[in-house]
Amino acid sequence: AQKVTQAQTEISVVEKEDVTLDCVYETRDTTYYLFWYKQPPSGELVFLIRRNSFDEQNEISGRYSWNFQKSTSSFNFTITASQVVDSAVYFCALSRELGSSNTGKLIFGQGTTLQVKP
Amino acid sequence: GAGVSQSPRYKVTKRGQDVALRCDPISGHVSLYWYRQALGQGPEFLTYFNYEAQQDKSGLPNDRFSAERPEGSISTLTIQRTEQRDSAMYRCASSPQRGELFFGEGSRLTVL
Repeated sequence: AQKVTQAQTEISVVEKEDVTLDCVYETRDTTYYLFWYKQPPSGELVFLIRRNSFDEQNEISGRYSWNFQKSTSSFNFTITASQVVDSAVYFCALSRELGSSNTGKLIFGQGTTLQVKP
Repeated sequence: GAGVSQSPRYKVTKRGQDVALRCDPISGHVSLYWYRQALGQGPEFLTYFNYEAQQDKSGLPNDRFSAERPEGSISTLTIQRTEQRDSAMYRCASSPQRGELFFGEGSRLTVL
């Protein structure tokens, strides 16, 4: 069975601090996809990143970076120099492979609420 | 349209009433998904379509829930004889054939 665990329910930091959101997953598939989504207070779900299990290179996008460790089944998300606008619920998700891409049948974690205080 | 559009955005209904939630996906997107998100939880898969064909409905909780996408574009999720436990945010997402999901803003259902 597939499962995603985000053990941190809530994190509170002060602006400009770095913060890491943890994500641990379980799957028996050899090929799978991992995702992060952001849910700001307005409620929409915003796609941040998709990662194929064969690509273990870390990725950086501006203040965001992702650390994929297949050996520990983790896909952690770090925000550098956090800002108040980063306050949101962040979801990690997992999906199986279909053909050469992912299915849209995602298994989401419970989410981590990040509060960035000024 | 530019994004995935869902209506109504908010729906309050009495227990026992039927409810229909509509999703208008991004133009040209082959796949359409329905998810349900309870308060404080992550979204949970309900069902999905490729074009007009329902591919997987394993996440529908019971036979009061149904979905259709008759012309391969707009989809309707119908909940019959609503119960209080059906209260949640219902999210629709669309994607090109395999790829990232683009979610709509959701329809928040409250069953009194």
